[in-house]
Amino acid sequence: KQEVTQIPAALSVPEGENLVLNCSFTDSAIYNLQWFRQDPGKGLTSLLLIQSSQREQTSGRLNASLDKSSGRSTLYIAASQPGDSATYLCAVIGPTGGSYIPTFGRGTSLIVHP
Amino acid sequence: DGGITQSPKYLFRKEGQNVTLSCEQNLNHDAMYWYRQDPGQGLRLIYYSQIVNDFQKGDIAEGYSVSREKKESFPLTVTSAQKNPTAFYLCASSKGRAFDEQYFGPGTRLTVT
Repeated sequence: KQEVTQIPAALSVPEGENLVLNCSFTDSAIYNLQWFRQDPGKGLTSLLLIQSSQREQTSGRLNASLDKSSGRSTLYIAASQPGDSATYLCAVIGPTGGSYIPTFGRGTSLIVHP
Repeated sequence: DGGITQSPKYLFRKEGQNVTLSCEQNLNHDAMYWYRQDPGQGLRLIYYSQIVNDFQKGDIAEGYSVSREKKESFPLTVTSAQKNPTAFYLCASSKGRAFDEQYFGPGTRLTVT
């Protein structure tokens, strides 16, 4: 069964730092990997989707990379801002008995202080 | 505006009562999902549906029921058989293919006392 681990569980940094959030998965047979942001008490907002054939995706200050063979993805946040404070979750989709069901990590809780 | 709506945002019920959470999408997505989120835990899949009139159990389906009579709607009923129903419930949808992005609703926080 696919397992997804996110490290670190929590992170507190001063504004302006460049950050790396990690996501690892046990089964490399995935179709895609998606990074989400969740603000307290809210739903998940999709940040980036990386297909299995891709190595990275970029959106603004965010860059996500994927190394399927090693079962890892990283989310890079450049020049962090207090507004980036949230929980970041990754999810992978792999073959699950013919269905496409995501497996989520527990998230990294990020605080960026001014 | 295209998206997923969940209602209500907050729901309070007495123990022993069934309660139904609403999820509607206007994205023309085939697949819809219900997740439960508890503090410090990841999202756990309750039920999912890949097509109208069909749905499958997820990892924690006991004490829950769903229906999918319309493409746009996937209501979740939390029954009195669910031992610990207080949680944050999230609905999501996707086109339903392997390479498709998932979109989430704003969630419903259910408190049972």
